[in-house]
Amino acid sequence: AQSVTQPDIHITVSEGASLELRCNYSYGATPYLFWYVQSPGQGLQLLLKYFSGDTLVQGIKGFEAEFKRSQSSFNLRKPSVHWSDAAEYFCASSSGNTPLVFGKGTRLSVIA
Amino acid sequence: GAGVSQSPSNKVTEKGKDVELRCDPISGHTALYWYRQRLGQGLEFLIYFQGNSAPDKSGLPSDRFSAERTGESVSTLTIQRTQQEDSAVYLCASRQTGANQPQHFGDGTRLSIL
Repeated sequence: AQSVTQPDIHITVSEGASLELRCNYSYGATPYLFWYVQSPGQGLQLLLKYFSGDTLVQGIKGFEAEFKRSQSSFNLRKPSVHWSDAAEYFCASSSGNTPLVFGKGTRLSVIA
Repeated sequence: GAGVSQSPSNKVTEKGKDVELRCDPISGHTALYWYRQRLGQGLEFLIYFQGNSAPDKSGLPSDRFSAERTGESVSTLTIQRTQQEDSAVYLCASRQTGANQPQHFGDGTRLSIL
């Protein structure tokens, strides 16, 4: 069965600093991988997705993620964090049409 | 264009009552999913509709939970005889046909059972 692990429950970074949110997946084949962001009281917004091809994926809001098969990882990065990036971030996987399997999320706080 | 729409946005009800939650998917999206998000938790899959195929109900936590969808339109999630542990945000997502299409989420219904 697929599983997704986000090791960090809560991360605090200073505005302007770089960010990396960790995600590890467990799946026999290459899964489809996603990062979503959720602001308080809102639904989930898709940041980026990986299906195949180039292992470095660019998303919206200046985010990128890199698929590393050898490490079963799909970490999310941003070179310079803005206060508006404070939110909950979810990594998820699927095998095509199947429902998404989500990690438990990482809450990002941004301080001045 | 319009996104996934869910109603009501908030619902407060007494334990033991039945509730019905509604999801309007993006037009043309053949797949529809329901998820549950408990406080401080990730999302749990509940049920999945794909076109006219039989739904995948493998995530429903008990027989108090059911869902319907007519064709490729609106879906309703019904919870009978609600319990306090049913308190959660219920999120709906829809997706176009094609394995490499992402799911698009609504803002959810926040359900509180008193």
